[in-house]
Amino acid sequence: NAGVTQTPKFQVLKTGQSMTLQCAQDMNHEYMSWYRQDPGMGLRLIHYSVGAGITDQGEVPNGYNVSRSTTEDFPLRLLSAAPSQTSVYFCASSRTVNQPQHFGDGTRLSIL
Amino acid sequence: EDQVTQSPEALRLQEGESSSLNCSYTVSGLRGLFWYRQDPGKGPEFLFTLYSAGEEKEKERLKATLTKKESFLHITAPKPEDSATYLCAVQGSGAGSYQLTFGKGTKLSVIP
Repeated sequence: NAGVTQTPKFQVLKTGQSMTLQCAQDMNHEYMSWYRQDPGMGLRLIHYSVGAGITDQGEVPNGYNVSRSTTEDFPLRLLSAAPSQTSVYFCASSRTVNQPQHFGDGTRLSIL
Repeated sequence: EDQVTQSPEALRLQEGESSSLNCSYTVSGLRGLFWYRQDPGKGPEFLFTLYSAGEEKEKERLKATLTKKESFLHITAPKPEDSATYLCAVQGSGAGSYQLTFGKGTKLSVIP
């Protein structure tokens, strides 16, 4: 039972590079979301999806893109990395938006 | 705008010394209040959902309670393995009803 799987676990980028953080879940959950966690701050929502083909912005969407072509996968794209995007990124999923979310173990991203 | 404030920021307890963590919130129409546990280097792990004032839920040494303005996570006779950061989050029924708003967490250390 894999749950929510995030790859890679660690990544170092240079300013201006682009990359995709991968997130996959095997629980057939409709709702998926991306958060970032920074020291001294709570988890902040970047983007979310209520089903395949449907995405929307959260609290801090600037600099990030998402798509949801399948129920299982919800990748997060950094378009042009900036040092302010250095953070730990968590993907989460739940059966519906009102159900408890299951989190992956995160991707630790450093941007130099 | 939904807001969550957790206190204290950090708490050190001797093994067996019971205490409570506080989560104060403001939300436009509470749909659910969630408690999570987060271990270092891991994603948050779901503990409880509370939906209405007066509701209580228990799991081993943990008991969560809810009023109209705050929630408490009571820890009875804690053990070192209860050491973690405990996160509180709310989901409202207003404009951000698809989002969770998280507090900054309480870091609990239980000393043998």
